[in-house]
Amino acid sequence: AQSVTQLDSQVPVFEEAPVELRCNYSSSVSVYLFWYVQYPNQGLQLLLKYLSGSTLVKGINGFEAEFNKSQTSFHLRKPSVHISDTAEYFCAVSPSGGSNYKLTFGKGTLLTVNP
Amino acid sequence: ETGVTQSPTHLIKTRGQQVTLRCSSQSGHNTVSWYQQALGQGPQFIFQYYREEENGRGNFPPRFSGLQFPNYSSELNVNALELDDSALYLCASSVDQYSGNTIYFGEGSWLTVV
Repeated sequence: AQSVTQLDSQVPVFEEAPVELRCNYSSSVSVYLFWYVQYPNQGLQLLLKYLSGSTLVKGINGFEAEFNKSQTSFHLRKPSVHISDTAEYFCAVSPSGGSNYKLTFGKGTLLTVNP
Repeated sequence: ETGVTQSPTHLIKTRGQQVTLRCSSQSGHNTVSWYQQALGQGPQFIFQYYREEENGRGNFPPRFSGLQFPNYSSELNVNALELDDSALYLCASSVDQYSGNTIYFGEGSWLTVV
């Protein structure tokens, strides 16, 4: 079984400041890792994913994340945020090479970007 | 827009009733999964269908059931509704069933049980 812990439920930042949203996971098998964003009253949109290879993954909207196997972490970063980045962010894992997705999500981090 | 459409967008049901939620997958996608997202929580995996057969299920009771049709659209049925079933129900589709593929979510159906 897998579990995901998002260490901060809310992160307020000022526009153009850098941000890091933290995610730790637990699993007895190898996993794939994902970050999704959810804007108000919308579904989830994939920001980026780590399957294999380089541990630094670049995604859409200027976001990137780094996979750290020894620390079982997959933190999301952006060097300079915009007001439009205000949203809920979810970290998720699924067993690698599995025959179904069965994404396990964290509880989410609400990023609020203030002017 | 992801090409995944869900209906209805909002509905209110009474405890004990039954509900059917519908999902139209993105064109070319043969796999659909359903998630329940309670207020303030992350989505929880209910089940997945691949080519009309269930091929994965989360920790949900049997009163949560589904169907996938030959055109790969899908239904989620919930019987004997309970107050705790109030949530956003998300449908997602993908080109096949393997983990690691990008899945595309619809905007969800908000269910309120009173």
